[in-house]
Formats: sequence, C-alpha cells, structure tokens
Amino acid sequence: DTAVSQTPKYLVTQMGNDKSIKCEQNLGHDTMYWYKQDSKKFLKIMFSYNNKELIINETVPNRFSPKSPDKAHLNLHINSLELGDSAVYFCASSQEMLGTEAFFGQGTRLTVV
Amino acid sequence: LAKTTQPISMDSYEGQEVNITCSHNNIATNDYITWYQQFPSQGPRFIIQGYKTKVTNEVASLFIPADRKSSTLSLPRVSLSDTAVYYCLVGDIYDGSSNTGKLIFGQGTTLQVKP
Repeated sequence: DTAVSQTPKYLVTQMGNDKSIKCEQNLGHDTMYWYKQDSKKFLKIMFSYNNKELIINETVPNRFSPKSPDKAHLNLHINSLELGDSAVYFCASSQEMLGTEAFFGQGTRLTVV
Repeated sequence: LAKTTQPISMDSYEGQEVNITCSHNNIATNDYITWYQQFPSQGPRFIIQGYKTKVTNEVASLFIPADRKSSTLSLPRVSLSDTAVYYCLVGDIYDGSSNTGKLIFGQGTTLQVKP
C-alpha cells in the first residue's frame, strides 16, 4: 500500500477553473503538508496541518484553501486558477514530534493553460 | 530557521564514494539535520537524520562536527541509480504548541553519477 497517495497525478486545466487535489496517508501520522515545486525545482511549503488543525500557512494566495476532513486526509482546493499556479504539488506527512522526517506523495503535476 | 548552503551540482562515477557538504552556520540548539533524496518525477525521500557526531544507516552516513555548523552526507560506492537531487534541511522538531516543525528545502545538490 502506498504510504502517501495523491490524486490526480496529472491535471491540465484552463485559467479561471477551480480544481482540487486529494491526499491521503495511511501511516497514522499527525501532521500533513502541502508543498509546491516550481519549474526551477524549488520546494516551498504551503500549508501544514496537525490533527486537522492548521499550523502553518505560508504566504499563499487565498485562492488556495486546504481542507482536512480527518487526520489521514489533507486536500488542496484551488480557485480561479492562474498560469503561475502551474507546478508540481506534493503532499507529505510526518509524525508529531518528528517533524523533520516526512513521507512524500508522488506529486500532482498541475498545468494551467 | 537556519539557512543551508550546498553545492548546486556534483559529478561522480560509479563505485566512488560521494561526499556532499552542507553549511548551516546559524543552526539552533534544537535543530536536527536531515537529508532527502529526490528522483525526477517523484517526491523527496528521507535518507538520514542526525543531531551530532556520526549517523549511519543502510543507505548513507552523516557526519556532523562538534560545532554543528556543517554536515556531510556520504554515499558509499554510488551507482547510476543514485543520480538525484539531494537536499540538506535544518529544522526544529514540532512540539505541538508552536508553528515549528516545517521542512525548509534549499536548492539541493544535483548529483550526476556517470558510468
């Protein structure tokens, strides 16, 4: 079983659309993250949730809204997509108190056209 | 959070030992040092983590001097499949009560292993 799984793996959509990326982890971890990796390969944290509570919200446009229905899921909803949102989005999870050891999903390559 | 500096790229040949050094001059007392590996089209994968001295696992060794201002990831006898980007991270542990524990990735070191 995949530890951290995200869907979809690829997402191509037009500007202005609203889309969601789903993430699930079966590791029993308390903390989940969303990262964005741009074309220059920089990995930048967007959000962090711990036990369904928002812990970290970096400088991200409010078009991005994470939702954590339970500890095992952290979904990312993006409104009014823009060209600059094109990137690979990674979901990750880690155990509380071991925040620097994280397990990442395979990524979702979002292309906005 | 401590900033890390590592070489942008390195080349090696199969069978060689590769050492990638990371500088983190502003490391804090509570910070751990962690290395991740990322293959193309995949998410980063945890390699090793340490606080001080030397840590070894089945994949790599991590050398941390006493002042902890730098660390060196050592990959023994690399193969072509070790071609990847290697990230050095320094960060504190999330204690459940403050906005800490996030992973800050630098630009990484692209290791190219040649036959």
